[in-house]
Amino acid sequence: ILNVEQSPQSLHVQEGDSTNFTCSFPSSNFYALHWYRWETAKSPEALFVMTLNGDEKKKGRISATLNTKEGYSYLYIKGSQPEDSATYLCASWILTGGGNKLTFGTGTQLKVEL
Amino acid sequence: NAGVTQTPKFRVLKTGQSMTLLCAQDMNHEYMYWYRQDPGMGLRLIHYSVGEGTTAKGEVPDGYNVSRLKKQNFLLGLESAAPSQTSVYFCASSHARTSGGAYNEQFFGPGTRLTVL
Repeated sequence: ILNVEQSPQSLHVQEGDSTNFTCSFPSSNFYALHWYRWETAKSPEALFVMTLNGDEKKKGRISATLNTKEGYSYLYIKGSQPEDSATYLCASWILTGGGNKLTFGTGTQLKVEL
Repeated sequence: NAGVTQTPKFRVLKTGQSMTLLCAQDMNHEYMYWYRQDPGMGLRLIHYSVGEGTTAKGEVPDGYNVSRLKKQNFLLGLESAAPSQTSVYFCASSHARTSGGAYNEQFFGPGTRLTVL
């Protein structure tokens, strides 16, 4: 994997459902992975910064895991609420021949319906 | 604290015109970044700075110049605007890398919507 890829691209769930998304990134020369939450008409806000293989982070109903050896991170939302509706971005710092490179995925757009 | 602010919020330019976008932060962050965001694409890094007086190219630097004369400000310049530079521009800032080498979370400004006709 050369770029940061997120799946699915979009997701519709019902209130109360639990859901998860995937972020895939190059596993070699990994530095750090960031997760951001981006609500419509607002700016991205940081959720997690993850660096170590096996890292697990939690903030309220949202948690994330990191596997640097295979190059993926999962974001979980337990008991989705309408206010969780947003685009969730991941971004990876990768070492390239031209120096450190930060690449964002295109995001997973989550819509939680009543 | 105002956090990260961007000036202006909106701007319409004609092809060939120049302009400067200003980003200011009051969190004493060492690192600052400029991104552009286009439909169907993720945020793409244009340039970034790891300290006053230093800048580095990101993923899409062509057509842009930057300056970081003061720690709290990061300027993005378009010398000769082109329609391909129509985009929403976001500035962000963060503390320096941790002792372990990790990059800290970024704080984003509200964005500048630029249209080049």
